[in-house]
Amino acid sequence: DTAVSQTPKYLVTQMGNDKSIKCEQNLGHDTMYWYKQDSKKFLKIMFSYNNKELIINETVPNRFSPKSPDKAHLNLHINSLELGDSAVYFCASSPPGQRANYGYTFGSGTRLTVV
Amino acid sequence: KNQVEQSPQSLIILEGKNCTLQCNYTVSPFSNLRWYKQDTGRGPVSLTIMTFSENTKSNGRYTATLDADTKQSSLHITASQLSDSASYICVVSPNSGGYQKVTFGTGTKLQVIP
Repeated sequence: DTAVSQTPKYLVTQMGNDKSIKCEQNLGHDTMYWYKQDSKKFLKIMFSYNNKELIINETVPNRFSPKSPDKAHLNLHINSLELGDSAVYFCASSPPGQRANYGYTFGSGTRLTVV
Repeated sequence: KNQVEQSPQSLIILEGKNCTLQCNYTVSPFSNLRWYKQDTGRGPVSLTIMTFSENTKSNGRYTATLDADTKQSSLHITASQLSDSASYICVVSPNSGGYQKVTFGTGTKLQVIP
């Protein structure tokens, strides 16, 4: 059983297109995250949702819009894709409150390539 | 600004040898420090988690140490195996209450060769 699953695993698309990445977790966690990992392998947080409520929104272009239909899902929609959006995007989840200190569970990533 | 710096950036060792990866951080106040292993094409997986009161934590051949006074942590890998080839990421959480924004290091890329 995959704890945090993302789809698709690979996504190749042209500049200007709109695309979505889906994420689902079956761990019963309350908090979910989207991270972007650039070519230098640096992981940077983009968004965090707790029980469908946005709690962290880093400086991310408003072309990126997260959507959380329920606490087990956090999808990422990207409008008007640009070359610089090419990266690996990771979804993660963590248990509630102070238990969040004790580790995130990451998905296997979505490699987005904009051509 | 909270920072987490890791060294070396990359490392190549022979199978069976030991190695030590370093993590220096400026995050303060500090809640916990985690080491993750990220295999190529996969998401990070937690290896160890230490609070500020813990000095060492082991997980099989992986042993993490923490010196909260000098704000340094190390990850020691014993008797390396080819499957240890991966990136190792140090992650530090602040003790700021509420929802915490963790700080990720840039990672150390380890390659174990036969």
